Order: sequence, then structure tokens, then C-alpha cells
Amino acid sequence: DIQMTQSPSTLSASVGDRVTITCRASQSISNWLAWYQQKPGKAPKLLIYEASNLESGVPSRFSGSGSGTEFTLTISSLQPDDFATYYCQQYNIYSWTFGQGTKVEIK
Amino acid sequence: QVQLVESGGGVVQPGGSLRLSCAASGFTFSNNGMHWVRQAPGKGLEWVAFIQYDGSEKYYADSVKGRFTISRDISKNTLYLQMNILRAEDTGIYYCAKDAPVCHYWGQGTLVTVSS
Repeated sequence: DIQMTQSPSTLSASVGDRVTITCRASQSISNWLAWYQQKPGKAPKLLIYEASNLESGVPSRFSGSGSGTEFTLTISSLQPDDFATYYCQQYNIYSWTFGQGTKVEIK
Repeated sequence: QVQLVESGGGVVQPGGSLRLSCAASGFTFSNNGMHWVRQAPGKGLEWVAFIQYDGSEKYYADSVKGRFTISRDISKNTLYLQMNILRAEDTGIYYCAKDAPVCHYWGQGTLVTVSS
């Protein structure tokens, strides 16, 4: 099975900061990677798919990059609504795996 | 608009069974693959199962293989998850999600608690 490792597990940042979250796959997944945002008590929300494609309606301050085994999610200027937990997810040959999550907290 | 509404959660004893449902509306249900994803209390997301748009192929996480069965009823626009031989570690919120391979839309989830 493909394992996904996110770093850091927790991130403290301030409004306006540039934030980067990293996700590493245990083997190459090409660009079959998605990023989700989840707020407490809510369902996850898709932000990015195929590593770098912005989901419709998601603010342009979110961006994704990477291929193979290393990927990043970047928030260019952190907004109050962005404090949440973020998950990467790989999808490769009918197998789906999430990373363990990165909690973005207010500094 | 797309709506996914899960139901069927509750408290069940270890070794017991439960069937979850996910009522879909706002899109052509027969055109889309569907997932079940779960989240243990205070933990991360875990993919559970996937069914192709026509039900022809089904895939499961190793942790539930042989115990859980995903299915769909096109006539009722409903996705199901039959869960047997439940364990304490199956406790959590179960979400259904639409689309393949990426989960573009999610329901709000239903809580399953496995406890004696």
C-alpha cells in the first residue's frame, strides 16, 4: 500500500503569512494527488486535484505543486477562514490513502 | 445542487452489524463513482470503500475487506455500506463522497459507535 506522510503535523502562523505544507508518497503516484481542508465538525472540502488544479470556487491564494513522490500545498496569504486541518490524498490504481493531516493554528 | 445525506449510524455492540445509507440528489447518480470515508474521533481521514458508477467494480481498504460491502441502488439514488463483524476501531463518522477518482462532494456524515 502507498503511504502518505505530511509535514508538519501542526503549524502556527499569523494572518497574512505564506504557509507551505508538504506531502510525501512512499512510491511514485505521478500527479494523482488531492488536497482537502476540514474544519471542526464539518465534512472535508476539496481544494486541489491532480496536484495543481484548483477546484472551482476555491480562492486563488491556494496552490498545489509537485509530482512523483513530493508535493506541496501553499497558501500565499493566510486568511482567518483558513485556520483548519489540511489532508493530502493519493489516488492510484483504485487505492486511496490520506496523509495524517496538518493542523494550521493561529500564532 | 449536489446533496448527499448519510443515515443509519448508531450504537452497536462489537461483532454486530449496521447498514449505512447515503441518499443522493442534484446530479445523475448512475454516472458517478462513490466512496465511503471514515474518521475516528479526533483522528484523521481513512478511505473505506469505492464503487464504480455502474457497480461493476468495488474496492476496499484492507482494514474492512471481508467485513464491509459497498453497494448502490440506482432506482433509489442511494449508496449503501453494509458493515458486519464490527470492532471498536470501526467507531467514527462515516462520510459518503461523490466522484472518482477525487471526492468533489461530501455528505455531512453519520456517527457509528461500536461499544458494549
